[in-house]
Amino acid sequence: QVQLQESGPGLVKPSQTLSLSCTVSGGSISRGDYYWSWTRQPPGKGLEWIGYIHYIGSTYYNPSLKSRVTISVDTSKNQFSLKLYSVTAADTAVYYCARDAGVVVVAARYYYYGMDVWGQGTTVTVSS
Amino acid sequence: EIVLTQSPATLSLSPGERVTLSCRASQSVSSYLAWYQQKPGQAPRLLIYDASNRATGIPGRFSGSGSGTDFTLTISSLEPEDFAVYYCQQRSNRPPRVTFGGGTKVEIK
Repeated sequence: QVQLQESGPGLVKPSQTLSLSCTVSGGSISRGDYYWSWTRQPPGKGLEWIGYIHYIGSTYYNPSLKSRVTISVDTSKNQFSLKLYSVTAADTAVYYCARDAGVVVVAARYYYYGMDVWGQGTTVTVSS
Repeated sequence: EIVLTQSPATLSLSPGERVTLSCRASQSVSSYLAWYQQKPGQAPRLLIYDASNRATGIPGRFSGSGSGTDFTLTISSLEPEDFAVYYCQQRSNRPPRVTFGGGTKVEIK
């Protein structure tokens, strides 16, 4: 079955760029009508959606982070990536990648299938 | 932006009890709502999709209901492994965006 694995530095200095990748295994990132998503969770807090990308390149971002975020996809590596610019201590969090199965039409009815596959998460600390 | 409000923030219950968690949206999300369970140190796990459909492998004691702005997750009889934090999440379609509720922690009484 499809599995996701985040990778990237665990420590980033303030004002620098946080860069993470998510490798998809067990299936092609280009197959199906999925959206490939990033979500984060600050220590002791809830989940915050960052944004997602469709394999054809369409991207959608959380308006509160849009000015600092870029999500991209590399179909040749079966990966998608996150860049968060000008980070501060408030960006310290566990970062998760996930597959969003999107809204699908079945027998003339629309269903939202949810984020059905998640990576294990990677902790990123912003500190000098 | 659609805001999801979950209540209560914390529930203290005993194994075997019935649990009802609430999620209210600031505007209609149709049925485009999912529920997740998260245990400490783990990624969220999809429980319910499209408001009322159990995800693959989810036990029958979990059920979801609602549409529009008011949604409920019910656990018919709490098992020890069900003590966790539960999040609701909506997905708007135009533009495609996601928001999560603040979560409800179900703890052992």
